[in-house]
Amino acid sequence: AQSVSQHNHHVILSEAASLELGCNYSYGGTVNLFWYVQYPGQHLQLLLKYFSGDPLVKGIKGFEAEFIKSKFSFNLRKPSVQWSDTAEYFCAAGGSNYQLIWGAGTKLIIKP
Amino acid sequence: DVKVTQSSRYLVKRTGEKVFLECVQDMDHENMFWYRQDPGLGLRLIYFSYDVKMKEKGDIPEGYSVSREKKERFSLILESASTNQTSMYLCASSTPSRNTIYFGEGSWLTVV
Repeated sequence: AQSVSQHNHHVILSEAASLELGCNYSYGGTVNLFWYVQYPGQHLQLLLKYFSGDPLVKGIKGFEAEFIKSKFSFNLRKPSVQWSDTAEYFCAAGGSNYQLIWGAGTKLIIKP
Repeated sequence: DVKVTQSSRYLVKRTGEKVFLECVQDMDHENMFWYRQDPGLGLRLIYFSYDVKMKEKGDIPEGYSVSREKKERFSLILESASTNQTSMYLCASSTPSRNTIYFGEGSWLTVV
């Protein structure tokens, strides 16, 4: 069955800590991978995406993610978080817009 | 800048009422989507539309219908609202290619 699993539902970090949010997927065929972010009171917006090529993808606001095909993973990373990174983060996988499978989301809280 | 506008941010409706959620996008996108977002469940696709008057069921279409009479507008209809439809509803749009999905700010619906 197709699925996206985000390992942690809640993550609490202090400012300047390093971040890694896990995402594992199960999907048959060619897969496209996405991380979206939803800041409090705002709409979901794209952080970064992977379609093909370099498995290390850089997104907005200093985020990056690495596609590891052998591990079916697409973990999101940031070396030093800021209070403004407090948000909910969603991983999604699919072959097209119609077929996106979404993870349950991870709520990230950054303590000032 | 792509704009997806949802007509109502917050609604409170009674059980059995008919509810209309309206969504308009300004980028001439072919694809439009309705999702519901519930804590711990991520985003679940209700319906999507790939052209005017064309629609496809998503993962959870029961209790919902949609209407797309114009390219820019996609409406979600709850024929007879029930308390288990209390949720955040997200409208989105995209082009047919493997591209970014753009989300509206969401509509919080409470059914009492």
